[in-house]
Amino acid sequence: EIVLTQSPDTLSLSPGERATLSCRASQSVSGNYLAWFQQKPGQAPRLLIYAASSRATGIPDRFSGSGSGTDFTLTINRLEPEDFAAYYCQQYGGSPPLTFGGGTKVEIK
Amino acid sequence: EVQLVESGGGLVKPGGSLTLSCAASGFTFTDAWMSWVRQAPGKGLEWVGRIRSKTDGGTIDYLAPVKGRFTISRDDSKNTVYLQMDSLKSEDTAVYYCTTGISRDGRDYWGQGTLVTVSS
Repeated sequence: EIVLTQSPDTLSLSPGERATLSCRASQSVSGNYLAWFQQKPGQAPRLLIYAASSRATGIPDRFSGSGSGTDFTLTINRLEPEDFAAYYCQQYGGSPPLTFGGGTKVEIK
Repeated sequence: EVQLVESGGGLVKPGGSLTLSCAASGFTFTDAWMSWVRQAPGKGLEWVGRIRSKTDGGTIDYLAPVKGRFTISRDDSKNTVYLQMDSLKSEDTAVYYCTTGISRDGRDYWGQGTLVTVSS
């Protein structure tokens, strides 16, 4: 089972700042099939990034993903008020279970 | 428009059973690999299991703590996937989502979730 460790647990930033979220895998993620989701309270997760660096349909270009192997990063440039939420990474290309990271909460400073 | 609508959640006693349904529309259900993901109150997301399409073998994978207690099935004639949960424990309390998973072109769809509470 691939364990995904996200850091930090919480990121306190102001609107307009840049957020950098990390997701580290216990072993190499097959095919770099690593996704990032955003989740707001009471809502289902929303796919932001798939295959490590491809933006999902309708996602603003201030969201970008990078990385390969075991180290992945989600960057949010110029935080907008609607970006304050929880973010999860998930590996989905290898053998099950398709694990999620523990999440990073981006909160308003 | 793609829709996934879960139903069947509720309050159940420890050791009891519950079956969740997820009705799908707006895409070719027979080709889809369907997954269940849960989220305990105030906690993160946890993948529960997945059923492949019949053309891809229809095989099913489960998260280790639910294997032997949960059963995923599908009825392609009804465009519905099921999650039968037996021998429920308090730690199974969560919102349960059904999802299509992520396609090669980056599409994925989620239901609104249904709450399962296991408590005496």
